[in-house]
Amino acid sequence: QVQLVESGGGVVQPGRSLRLSCAASGFTFSNYGMHWVRQAPGKGLEWVAFISYDGSNKYYTDSVKGRFTISRDNSKNTLYLQMNSLSVEDTALYYCAKDFAPYNTAWHYLDYWGQGTLVTVSS
Amino acid sequence: DIQMTQSPSSVSASVGDRVTITCRASQGIRTWLAWYQQKPGKAPKLLIYAASSLQSGVPSRFSGSGSGTDFTLTINTLQPEDFATYYCQQANSFHPLTFGGGTKVEIK
Repeated sequence: QVQLVESGGGVVQPGRSLRLSCAASGFTFSNYGMHWVRQAPGKGLEWVAFISYDGSNKYYTDSVKGRFTISRDNSKNTLYLQMNSLSVEDTALYYCAKDFAPYNTAWHYLDYWGQGTLVTVSS
Repeated sequence: DIQMTQSPSSVSASVGDRVTITCRASQGIRTWLAWYQQKPGKAPKLLIYAASSLQSGVPSRFSGSGSGTDFTLTINTLQPEDFATYYCQQANSFHPLTFGGGTKVEIK
């Protein structure tokens, strides 16, 4: 069965960096685009970033452009999110999620989600 | 960016009721729309994709409709396990993916 397990969250001071990981299993990771979605405490869902199945296409929400970098290692079935220059507004539970269709870059439904890793930015 | 507006933000209902949630896109998105269910402390779960297609394993009491800018999620014969928060999401890759603000379905 599909499993997505995030790690790397924690408490970090404003301006510092953090790298999140998402270990995938139960499907052919290299065939699917992947997403990061976050949820601030008590708030709704906010899409953060997408990477295509082969890593050739990457998209970000405006608020993280230039600070966050999404990447993947298909040999390790792992997705990453490098987060730099963190601010208190980045405090959230970060989910990784799998794209619905293989090799797809035209539309994006998220059919499997991990349980999330909590990032707290605080001085 | 395409804005997604859900209404109502919350609804109180009883077991056995029919619940309807609407989602409006700020511009046409054809049928590139998904609905998710999220229970407290849990990850979201995909219910509906392409506006009206039921995700595998999702009970048939859930249904979706709409195209263009106006969409609806209907839960027929509400069950105790359906009390949760529901989100719509536009899926057009040419814009940032965006979610609606959520609709909390509460027990009356």
